[in-house]
Amino acid sequence: DTGVSQDPRHKITKRGQNVTFRCDPISEHNRLYWYRQTLGQGPEFLTYFQNEAQLEKSRLLSDRFSAERPKGSFSTLEIQRTEQGDSAMYLCASSTGTVQETQYFGPGTRLLVL
Amino acid sequence: ILNVEQSPQSLHVQEGDSTNFTCSFPSSNFYALHWYRWETAKSPEALFVMTLNGDEKKKGRISATLNTKEGYSYLYIKGSQPEDSATYLCAFNNAGNMLTFGGGTRLMVKP
Repeated sequence: DTGVSQDPRHKITKRGQNVTFRCDPISEHNRLYWYRQTLGQGPEFLTYFQNEAQLEKSRLLSDRFSAERPKGSFSTLEIQRTEQGDSAMYLCASSTGTVQETQYFGPGTRLLVL
Repeated sequence: ILNVEQSPQSLHVQEGDSTNFTCSFPSSNFYALHWYRWETAKSPEALFVMTLNGDEKKKGRISATLNTKEGYSYLYIKGSQPEDSATYLCAFNNAGNMLTFGGGTRLMVKP
């Protein structure tokens, strides 16, 4: 399968714990995006990378959130000291790089914070 | 803050019915309008990227139109089938690198 993959698909954690999600983009795509979707809403942009450089961050991305893309390949999104409000679907997408190009999405990681 | 609205929020139709949904978006600084289909437990699937006013695109029984001057796009499904049941999302791109999504239209097609 050559699509975008995400791991894990589901994560249940207790409030205050740290969690880390991984995204593997389509191999030749140099742009990688993270979005978050809560129930009843459309996905909301969190951050994006051009190769290994993080170029844009939403104000939704509090200082408890950090994302990395070492070597411009896979990316990780870490949430520290999780809160119940962090419960959501975290989606990753990748694209070739022009503004009008399709962003291809992975299946998401569903996080539940108890 | 960009406002992308989709209507209706949900729709129940019978198999064989044709249906359509609306996406409205800001008419200024337009770059592209994307449509996605998202089935439960799967990845959102890209349907169309539309960039020019008056664009019409078609993929099987699904088609879409675009009016950038008035800021709306329609998605049509002809002869709905149960496998069309999904959430349909539109997303607006205004030259930034992020997509701004609407809330989606949840379609349920009854056999």
